[in-house]
Amino acid sequence: GQQVMQIPQYQHVQEGEDFTTYCNSSTTLSNIQWYKQRPGGHPVFLIQLVKSGEVKKQKRLTFQFGEAKKNSSLHITATQTTDVGTYFCAQNQGGKLIFGQGTELSVKP
Amino acid sequence: NAGVTQTPKFQVLKTGQSMTLQCAQDMNHNSMYWYRQDPGMGLRLIYYSASEGTTDKGEVPNGYNVSRLNKREFSLRLESAAPSQTSVYFCASSESGGRAEQYFGPGTRLTVT
Repeated sequence: GQQVMQIPQYQHVQEGEDFTTYCNSSTTLSNIQWYKQRPGGHPVFLIQLVKSGEVKKQKRLTFQFGEAKKNSSLHITATQTTDVGTYFCAQNQGGKLIFGQGTELSVKP
Repeated sequence: NAGVTQTPKFQVLKTGQSMTLQCAQDMNHNSMYWYRQDPGMGLRLIYYSASEGTTDKGEVPNGYNVSRLNKREFSLRLESAAPSQTSVYFCASSESGGRAEQYFGPGTRLTVT
């Protein structure tokens, strides 16, 4: 099946710095979802992108879907310690979600 | 609304033992899923049920069986546990597959010795 590659695997930033994680697919995606998992917690849905070139914002988080619908990114502006966790992208494949490996974000105060 | 509940929260098994992980949702969702999460591997789909009465294999179904008991409940059974099945197991549900957001339970931490 399709594979979604997510990079980087880990990112350590100083509080206030920006952070970006990327998802890349070799095939066109119908839609992509993003989830956040706090340490010791469970994944929580953040957003879904469907349209080519779509950009959505949630406060300091900006989500983009590539024009060719083969890649997506999540950008956090001015990270805070509350942003700590693992961010996953997930692609729709035949009615089920296939998750990327995740990017683990740590924030140093 | 409790959302998605899972039992037990923690479990230790010996190799060869069997057990069933329980999952229930109270959101009247059609689709339910079982994932396992291992360090550096993300979430991998074990089995899913697109609707009541149907089940399908995911990416890593070997060593597991599932039962969609009714619309609310979806159980995962390990018939003969192996150390490779040590993992955190998450159940999730959604209105329908693919384009609907998934709601996850709190997880079960399973250790097989």
